[in-house]
Amino acid sequence: AQTVTQSQPEMSVQEAETVTLSCTYDTSENNYYLFWYKQPPSRQMILVIRQEAYKQQNATENRFSVNFQKAAKSFSLKISDSQLGDTAMYFCAFTFMDSNYQLIWGAGTKLIIKP
Amino acid sequence: DSGVTQTPKHLITATGQRVTLRCSPRSGDLSVYWYQQSLDQGLQFLIQYYNGEERAKGNILERFSAQQFPDLHSELNLSSLELGDSALYFCASSLRGGANTGELFFGEGSRLTVL
Repeated sequence: AQTVTQSQPEMSVQEAETVTLSCTYDTSENNYYLFWYKQPPSRQMILVIRQEAYKQQNATENRFSVNFQKAAKSFSLKISDSQLGDTAMYFCAFTFMDSNYQLIWGAGTKLIIKP
Repeated sequence: DSGVTQTPKHLITATGQRVTLRCSPRSGDLSVYWYQQSLDQGLQFLIQYYNGEERAKGNILERFSAQQFPDLHSELNLSSLELGDSALYFCASSLRGGANTGELFFGEGSRLTVL
């Protein structure tokens, strides 16, 4: 079965600190995409960062970067210089590069940035 | 703003009733996805439509149905509502229904409360 596990239900850090959210997944497929989505209190699901499994280079988007370890099936998100606006639920997800496109989601990590 | 519009934003109804949730995808997107998010849970995939046809089905109850119209908007119909159906229902869209960049664009969700 395809699964995504986020082992940290909740985390909190001080503003400006760096925080890493963990995600592991299980699949026998070789070609897939991995995502981190953010859901702030406004409820909107916002794409934070995307990684193609065939790329060895870790994706980065400004203060957000990932540590993708394909063999270990690990996909952690690092947020540098955290800001109050980063407070949100963060969901890890993946999907396969085939014709039946569905996202498989983790349960989420609640991240609180303290002033 | 993701470009995906969902109505209504909030809906309160009684058990046994029927409601319809509406979604307008981003301009040009052919695929629509429906997700259910119960309190403090991850997203559960319900159903996907691509260019008017059902493409994939997830954990959608028989009391629920959906369709995508020729103008590509979609409706999710929930009938014989139960207390456990209270949740946030998300619609998302993407350009194609198959292998692509993998990114979904989410609406703000419809919050359904069943009393």
